Amino acid sequence: AIQMTQFPSSLSASVGDRVTITCRASQAIRNDLGWYQQRPGKAPKVLISAASKLQSGVPSRFSGSGSGTVFTLTIDSLQPEDFATYYCLQDYNYPRTFGQGTKVEFK
Amino acid sequence: DVQLVESGGALVQPGGSLSLSCAASGFIFSSFSMNWVRQAPGKGLEWVSSISHGRPTVNYADSVWGRFTISRDDAAETLHLHMRSLRVEDTAVYYCVRDRATVVADSWGQGTLVTVSS
Repeated sequence: AIQMTQFPSSLSASVGDRVTITCRASQAIRNDLGWYQQRPGKAPKVLISAASKLQSGVPSRFSGSGSGTVFTLTIDSLQPEDFATYYCLQDYNYPRTFGQGTKVEFK
Repeated sequence: DVQLVESGGALVQPGGSLSLSCAASGFIFSSFSMNWVRQAPGKGLEWVSSISHGRPTVNYADSVWGRFTISRDDAAETLHLHMRSLRVEDTAVYYCVRDRATVVADSWGQGTLVTVSS
């Protein structure tokens, strides 16, 4: 199975900060990666598909990049509603695998 | 609007069986691949199983292979997960998740809690 290593596992930030989260795949996965946001007590929500395609309704402060084995999710100018946990998911092959998650906390 | 409503979560003893269902509405269920994803209390997300549309093919995580069976009833627009030989480590919220053609896991249900405990 492809291992997805996500880091950092948590970070503290302030409103207005720029935040970067990284996922590294144990083998090349083209751009077959999505990013998901999960607020406490809620189901996850897709933010980005195919590594860089922003989903409808997702604010433009979110962006994704990368291909092959290294991928990043960037949040420009963090907003109060962005304090949540973020996950990457590879769908290059089965079994699909998630990163361990990154909890973005208020500094 | 896309709606996915899971049901069937319960407290079950180790070694027991349980079936989950997911009622879909707001889209043409038969045209979409579907998944189950779980989340143990306080832990991250774990993909469990997928079933394609059409002549369905199925896939499972190693952790559930041989114990869980995913199936779908397109006429009833319902996704199922039959779980047997349940273990304490299967305790989790189980989410029903849709794949769109180019967007994996684009819609999620609210989840149903399965607790495996004696």
